[in-house]
Amino acid sequence: DAGVIQSPRHEVTEMGQEVTLRCKPISGHDYLFWYRQTMMRGLELLIYFNNNVPIDDSGMPEDRFSAKMPNASFSTLKIQPSEPRDSAVYFCASKGQLNTEAFFGQGTRLTVV
Amino acid sequence: KQEVTQIPAALSVPEGENLVLNCSFTDSAIYNLQWFRQDPGKGLTSLLLIQSSQREQTSGRLNASLDKSSGRSTLYIAASQPGDSATYLCAVRRGMDSSYKLIFGSGTRLLVRP
Repeated sequence: DAGVIQSPRHEVTEMGQEVTLRCKPISGHDYLFWYRQTMMRGLELLIYFNNNVPIDDSGMPEDRFSAKMPNASFSTLKIQPSEPRDSAVYFCASKGQLNTEAFFGQGTRLTVV
Repeated sequence: KQEVTQIPAALSVPEGENLVLNCSFTDSAIYNLQWFRQDPGKGLTSLLLIQSSQREQTSGRLNASLDKSSGRSTLYIAASQPGDSATYLCAVRRGMDSSYKLIFGSGTRLLVRP
């Protein structure tokens, strides 16, 4: 298996633009997590899904952030409109029902200028 | 509110030295604790996971211990190598009846000098 795949690896966008980050979890995993990593706040869970259903979105910072999982093999994290303070590395992770640990993707480095 | 702290924030050691990284958490009601490694520009790689009922886990040169009552975990790296240079993060998962949310520490940046 190729692991958790995120795209793009790097994204630079102007303030006010819409940004969409993508994630393909490991096949067969039924949990998917979106994390954000910044120097100031470290790694924070934004939202996670179980069987494509959002379970806990308490970490989503504002209404500008939204996440979807239309099927078991794909998820998106959208920021609209983007702001400079959204600049961070966004990680996606997935885990299986029986696995006790999550596997992380390489991350998307987002820069909003 | 659970808070996870890692000390030191950065560590530089000569190759071959044994070292200990520390992780502390404020709420002892955890389900498990996990140690990760993060290389620059890369994602996280899980190193060791300790269930709340366990005291330690070992993998190769790595040994992680857990003292839930005191809210502490240590990651012991034996005979360190330059390839061990990375940031090491610990994370706790809350109790079984809550979500799969992991609370991360801010990490220890390790440099092993040749």
